[in-house]
Amino acid sequence: GAVVSQHPSWVICKSGTSVKIECRSLDFQATTMFWYRQFPKQSLMLMATSNEGSKATYEQGVEKDKFLINHASLTLSTLTVTSAHPEDSSFYICSARDSGGSGRTEAFFGQGTRLTVV
Amino acid sequence: SQELEQSPQSLIVQEGKNLTINCTSSKTLYGLYWYKQKYGEGLIFLMMLQKGGEEKSHEKITAKLDEKKQQSSLHITASQPSHAGIYLCGARRLSNQAGTALIFGKGTTLSVSS
Repeated sequence: GAVVSQHPSWVICKSGTSVKIECRSLDFQATTMFWYRQFPKQSLMLMATSNEGSKATYEQGVEKDKFLINHASLTLSTLTVTSAHPEDSSFYICSARDSGGSGRTEAFFGQGTRLTVV
Repeated sequence: SQELEQSPQSLIVQEGKNLTINCTSSKTLYGLYWYKQKYGEGLIFLMMLQKGGEEKSHEKITAKLDEKKQQSSLHITASQPSHAGIYLCGARRLSNQAGTALIFGKGTTLSVSS
C-alpha cells in the first residue's frame, strides 16, 4: 500500500526557534499534499494545501508567515513552524493523494509529528 | 461549509459486543472516508464510500452510506481490544473535486474492555 512518511515523529524546540517537518510520499507522486493540526482529543483541522511548484493555499486563520510550506518536488512537502511559541505545540499530520493515475482515491496520512515548544 | 457530526463522542464496550458509530453531514456527501487513529499516531484508512446505499466490509467492520448520502455508519461486530482507538469520518471539502482536502468529524473514541 501507499506510504506517506513524516519526519521527525517528535521534536522539542526552544521558544523562538524554527522547526521543519517533512512529508514524503514514498511510492507515489503527489502534486497536492495537505497539512493538518490536531489538538489533544480533538479532530484534525486543515491548515493548508501544499501544491507542487506553486504557493500553498492556507485556511482562514492560519498565518502563512508563521507556517511556511514548500512543495519542491512531487514527493516532498515541508512545513516550517517559524519562531515557535508554546501555543504552537501540537500534533501535525500530513496527507497526500496519489496523482500518478493509479485510480486510488483515498488520502494517505503520515504518522504525524508531535511538536513541543518549551 | 460542510460539517460532519459524529456520535457518540466516546464509547466503552465489552469485548465481544457489537457497536455502531454514526457520521452525519449537513450536506450531501461525495466520498465519505473512515479512518482509525491511535492517539498521537497517524490515520489508518479503513473504507471509502461514494454511492448512495453503498456498503463495504473489511474483517469485522462494516460501513454504510445512506441513500441520501448524508449519513454513514460504521459497525463493528464482536469487538476486540484491537479495535480500540479513535474513529474519524472524513469527507471531501469540495464535492466536485476529487483532489481536495478532507474535513473530519470530531471523532469517536472507542474503548474495549476485556
